Amino acid sequence: EGQLVESGGGLVQAGGSLRLSCSASGFTFSSYWMHWVRQAPGKGLEWVVGMSTDGSSIRIADSVKGRFTISRDNAKNTVYLQMNSLRAEDTAVYYCVRGSGYYYFDLWGQGTLGTVSS
Amino acid sequence: EVVLTQSPGTLSLSPGERATLFCRASQSVSSSYLAWYQQKPGQAPRLLIYAASNRATGIPDRFSGSGSGTDFTLTISRLEPEDFAVFYCQQYSNSQYTFGQGTRLEIK
Repeated sequence: EGQLVESGGGLVQAGGSLRLSCSASGFTFSSYWMHWVRQAPGKGLEWVVGMSTDGSSIRIADSVKGRFTISRDNAKNTVYLQMNSLRAEDTAVYYCVRGSGYYYFDLWGQGTLGTVSS
Repeated sequence: EVVLTQSPGTLSLSPGERATLFCRASQSVSSSYLAWYQQKPGQAPRLLIYAASNRATGIPDRFSGSGSGTDFTLTISRLEPEDFAVFYCQQYSNSQYTFGQGTRLEIK
């Protein structure tokens, strides 16, 4: 079925940077789009960014465009989220998510909390 | 950006009752690109329904989805104690994915 394990969350000051990692196992990582979805404390879900199987295509939410980037290493079965120029409103649990054929998300990690202090 | 509005915000029902949750899109959405998720406290969301009406692997048949265009519905035919949670709809269009704000299903 597969598993996704995020790491790299923590506390950072506003204006700073954070890099999240997501390690995948139990499925053919290189065959799937990978995404990051976030959830602010007590709030709903917000899709952040997604990357195609070979890294050639990226889709990104307007709210993070120009500040966040996604990358992947298919040899290491890992996807990354580089977050720069962080704001207090970026504080959230960040989920690593597998994308599936009909543009839905069928496998979720447990999430990692990124906190931005102002 | 397509905005998804879920209703009601909170639904209070008892085990054994039928639950009907709604998701309305600000513009027409392809049925192929509409999904539903369940999230329990402290857990990651779980895919329930994809392409508007297809149950994900392992999802009980008491969960069903329907709808087209701008109006979609998630129905739970007979509520079990473990079904109480927050439910989100999600769509894809124009290279963007959006979620509804969620419906909280609570025990009455």
